Amino acid sequence: GAVVSQHPSWVICKSGTSVKIECRSLDFQATTMFWYRQFPKQSLMLMATSNEGSKATYEQGVEKDKFLINHASLTLSTLTVTSAHPEDSSFYICSAIAGGYTDTQYFGPGTRLTVL
Amino acid sequence: GENVEQHPSTLSVQEGDSAVIKCTYSDSASNYFPWYKQELGKGPQLIIDIRSNVGEKKDQRIAVTLNKTAKHFSLHITETQPEDSAVYFCAATAVNTGFQKLVFGTGTRLLVSP
Repeated sequence: GAVVSQHPSWVICKSGTSVKIECRSLDFQATTMFWYRQFPKQSLMLMATSNEGSKATYEQGVEKDKFLINHASLTLSTLTVTSAHPEDSSFYICSAIAGGYTDTQYFGPGTRLTVL
Repeated sequence: GENVEQHPSTLSVQEGDSAVIKCTYSDSASNYFPWYKQELGKGPQLIIDIRSNVGEKKDQRIAVTLNKTAKHFSLHITETQPEDSAVYFCAATAVNTGFQKLVFGTGTRLLVSP
């Protein structure tokens, strides 16, 4: 149980284009999902927290107009990187927690974004 | 806000030896401490977690200890195997309004040599 998937697993795009990454909880309903970014050999950095049916909460320094998050259902959250640039190249990972009061975050397999 | 420090950054052991990774946290209100294992190119995998009402938890070869007074917690892996080689992250909750946001340590690269 507690499986989280991401799609795509990797993507290469041209500078200036937008890329959408999907995060799905496969066997549970996720009231809250988190989006992280991880640069090589570094730790996970939280970008934003999304709750189903409401606007995402972004961490300080994360541009909300550049990283659009939609949590339209209890099993799906999407992250859209708009007007991507080479510095946006990174490993993007989502996590999800089930409904109710719980702390356990289950992570997806990550999406490798390369912007040329 | 919460700050989590993790040591060592790299750890090399021989197969069969024990490995210990230590973390300290700053926010005394933190109450949940998970450990994640991340293999190259993959997402973090929860391997064990502990809550503040417990001092120790064990799951086969893996154990975690928590010292609330000193605000530190440790991961212990016994009888290490080559497949234990990975990056391990500790984390602590950053208590916030309504959401349990995790703050991660900087990671420990564990290498188990056959």
